[in-house]
Amino acid sequence: KAGVTQTPRYLIKTRGQQVTLSCSPISGHRSVSWYQQTPGQGLQFLFEYFSETQRNKGNFPGRFSGRQFSNSRSEMNVSTLELGDSALYLCASSSTGRTRSTGELFFGEGSRLTVL
Amino acid sequence: DAKTTQPPSMDCAEGRAANLPCNHSTISGNEYVYWYRQIHSQGPQYIIHGLKNNETNEMASLIITEDRKSSTLILPHATLRDTAVYYCIADDLYNQGGKLIFGQGTELSVKP
Repeated sequence: KAGVTQTPRYLIKTRGQQVTLSCSPISGHRSVSWYQQTPGQGLQFLFEYFSETQRNKGNFPGRFSGRQFSNSRSEMNVSTLELGDSALYLCASSSTGRTRSTGELFFGEGSRLTVL
Repeated sequence: DAKTTQPPSMDCAEGRAANLPCNHSTISGNEYVYWYRQIHSQGPQYIIHGLKNNETNEMASLIITEDRKSSTLILPHATLRDTAVYYCIADDLYNQGGKLIFGQGTELSVKP
């Protein structure tokens, strides 16, 4: 069974640009969550999608957005990039979105974004 | 969500048991204790979770105190590959939405 796949793995952008990251969850999983990881702030929750609907959102500005498609694949977009957006962006999937039913989120390897 | 407190770093000799403590004194009755780990440059990996009783799986054991204010993750025979950051998380049973609040975790170094 294939794991969570994130693309691209690495990318470099300049300030003011926008970026789109992609996440393919484990087959059959309907929930996709996104996290940002930086050395200073650690792992922070961005948002979660379940059946194409955003169900939960963290404390990030509106420049951070996402969507989920009918096949459960998800994308997140960051517009007007700032230097502080440099981070590892992680995607996680779960079978039902009720994480306490399995206690388990499956994370991808992440997309490492560098903003110059 | 309950806040958890973990030591920032620990060392363990290869082959010995690694005991990683976690304090969650404000945990509520609806909150499970989860453990994840993150090996360098990889995504976090689920290890184990529990509510009241001690739990064991192929990776680790979780010991939760009777008052549920603290817990210990035990890796029975640590190997070099267990070197990672270990996160203890308290999560609401009824929290829907794939949202976990990660703290700073414990950086475990397993040494030969």
